[in-house]
Amino acid sequence: NAGVTQTPKFQVLKTGQSMTLQCAQDMNHEYMSWYRQDPGMGLRLIHYSVGAGITDQGEVPNGYNVSRSTTEDFPLRLLSAAPSQTSVYFCASSYGAGEFRETQYFGPGTRLLVL
Amino acid sequence: TQLLEQSPQFLSIQEGENLTVYCNSSSVFSSLQWYRQEPGEGPVLLVTVVTGGEVKKLKRLTFQFGDARKDSSLHITAAQPGDTGLYLCAGAGRGSNYKLTFGKGTLLTVNP
Repeated sequence: NAGVTQTPKFQVLKTGQSMTLQCAQDMNHEYMSWYRQDPGMGLRLIHYSVGAGITDQGEVPNGYNVSRSTTEDFPLRLLSAAPSQTSVYFCASSYGAGEFRETQYFGPGTRLLVL
Repeated sequence: TQLLEQSPQFLSIQEGENLTVYCNSSSVFSSLQWYRQEPGEGPVLLVTVVTGGEVKKLKRLTFQFGDARKDSSLHITAAQPGDTGLYLCAGAGRGSNYKLTFGKGTLLTVNP
């Protein structure tokens, strides 16, 4: 299993540009989520999905859109990039059931710089 | 809003020393997890604790969940340079489904 994969690894954008961060998992996990990690701020939840066709907002959703058309894929869209969105973005998935349903399996991250 | 406070924020020690990292909250969590993150990579789960008072050991790492399920600690015995990394605690609140609240992390450096 590849686990959770993310593309691209690095990206530089200009203010106002849009882009999509890709995330895929091959573990048949129901739950997927997007976090951003900033120095001194820890991991903050952007959006999450409890299954195909179902998404909801996390702690910091503004400026981001998501969709979940399949169990495997959960792309994150930046509508109009701003310098405040410079961050490292992590996609994660979890079983969503059982005693350890909350355990997050993280991808390697996408490092985004918005100029 | 559930908050998790981790301390210390930074820790630099010599190889062979012992250390403890703390994760505290005023909220009750149904489970608490510890992750370790190395530079340029995503966090990786170390352990999940679910029962108040629970103690789990992973080689030289000992994890404890507070009796009231509001706090946790990570103790490392005889630290090695390979233990260097960012340690994150994360709690799942009751009724929060699968969502986690993360602490801001403890950056540990173990010098040879």
